[in-house]
Amino acid sequence: AQSVSQHNHHVILSEAASLELGCNYSYGGTVNLFWYVQYPGQHLQLLLKYFSGDPLVKGIKGFEAEFIKSKFSFNLRKPSVQWSDTAEYFCAVNRGSYIPTFGRGTSLIVHP
Amino acid sequence: DAGVTQSPTHLIKTRGQHVTLRCSPISGHKSVSWYQQVLGQGPQFIFQYYEKEERGRGNFPDRFSARQFPNYSSELNVNALLLGDSALYLCASSKTGSPGGRDTQYFGPGTRLTVL
Repeated sequence: AQSVSQHNHHVILSEAASLELGCNYSYGGTVNLFWYVQYPGQHLQLLLKYFSGDPLVKGIKGFEAEFIKSKFSFNLRKPSVQWSDTAEYFCAVNRGSYIPTFGRGTSLIVHP
Repeated sequence: DAGVTQSPTHLIKTRGQHVTLRCSPISGHKSVSWYQQVLGQGPQFIFQYYEKEERGRGNFPDRFSARQFPNYSSELNVNALLLGDSALYLCASSKTGSPGGRDTQYFGPGTRLTVL
């Protein structure tokens, strides 16, 4: 069965610190990769996605993610976090089907 | 434009009862997907519908069923509720539910179901 692992369940940072959240998936072949974010009291929304091409993708609010096929990874990064980045972050993967698999999420708290 | 809407916001049921959750997609979107999110976990895929036909089904028992109406709104039904069905149920809509899974999904606020 396919699985998506987010190893950091809780991350606490101070403003201006750099962020990297890990995401690994368990199967080979062609995959579509997503990062979603859920800000407190808001809906789940798409941060960025990767289908093909340049493995470094840029999303909204200064976030980026790098697809490393050999490591089955799609890590999310931001050079300098802000208090407003406090949220739950979810990695999701599908194998070209309608059925996505989500990781369990990483809770990020940014202290001002 | 209005986003994805879901009703009700919260619901409390007892074991063995039946529940119906409703979802209205963004105008112009023809695909609706349902997810279950248990506390502390990521969303788990239940169903996807496109043009009133089931396109995909996750690993959920037959107690879970859904349908999509001509106006593209959708219902999720759960029979014989169990305590473990307590969760946030999310609906997401997308324009086409495109083959290949590349269609961007837009999520609603969810329905919080508590089973006592």
